[in-house]
Amino acid sequence: QQPVQSPQAVILREGEDAVINCSSSKALYSVHWYRQKHGEAPVFLMILLKGGEQKGHDKISASFNEKKQQSSLYLTASQLSYSGTYFCGTIKAAGNKLTFGGGTRVLVKP
Amino acid sequence: DAGVIQSPRHEVTEMGQEVTLRCKPISGHDYLFWYRQTMMRGLELLIYFNNNVPIDDSGMPEDRFSAKMPNASFSTLKIQPSEPRDSAVYFCASSPLTDLAFGSGTRLTVV
Repeated sequence: QQPVQSPQAVILREGEDAVINCSSSKALYSVHWYRQKHGEAPVFLMILLKGGEQKGHDKISASFNEKKQQSSLYLTASQLSYSGTYFCGTIKAAGNKLTFGGGTRVLVKP
Repeated sequence: DAGVIQSPRHEVTEMGQEVTLRCKPISGHDYLFWYRQTMMRGLELLIYFNNNVPIDDSGMPEDRFSAKMPNASFSTLKIQPSEPRDSAVYFCASSPLTDLAFGSGTRLTVV
């Protein structure tokens, strides 16, 4: 079952913050986050394996609430390079398939 | 490492023709995935392999689609016969069980 992402789109000014949410109706083993620029392939950002775990990639960080089956991606002090579509992907058990959400389009303006 | 290599980058074919997409995964990655991306349906998993063995093909749309992985360094996705609704970007990705590395994709247009 596909995870649900929100919002579907967000427009930011450079330096502003944003949060992207990803939720699942099933228990999760791990959550992945990827970013895709227009016309390119998705690129891995980070993976979260444990409940409550937080990770960071530059000024992009994420949390995973295992009990709520939710993950959030935080874009802090956004840069123009953060523009793109962000996908969360969820895995229900180790070695199982990665299912992606519908994506969140992020546009960072000068 | 050259990353995941897909070919061709673009394919335009007529309805009814056979189409074969190719993928070379990153050496040492035990998992290989085929995804299809469209505006309407997003990123859909079609099939994935573990150590060259198909594990889950529940995402393959219908019998017109087939995928093989004859060895650890090569996989194909075949559509026969192709239809206009198959038009999409097809991504191959490989993984050592953690993060996925995607190829550049094949943009398929069926006219």
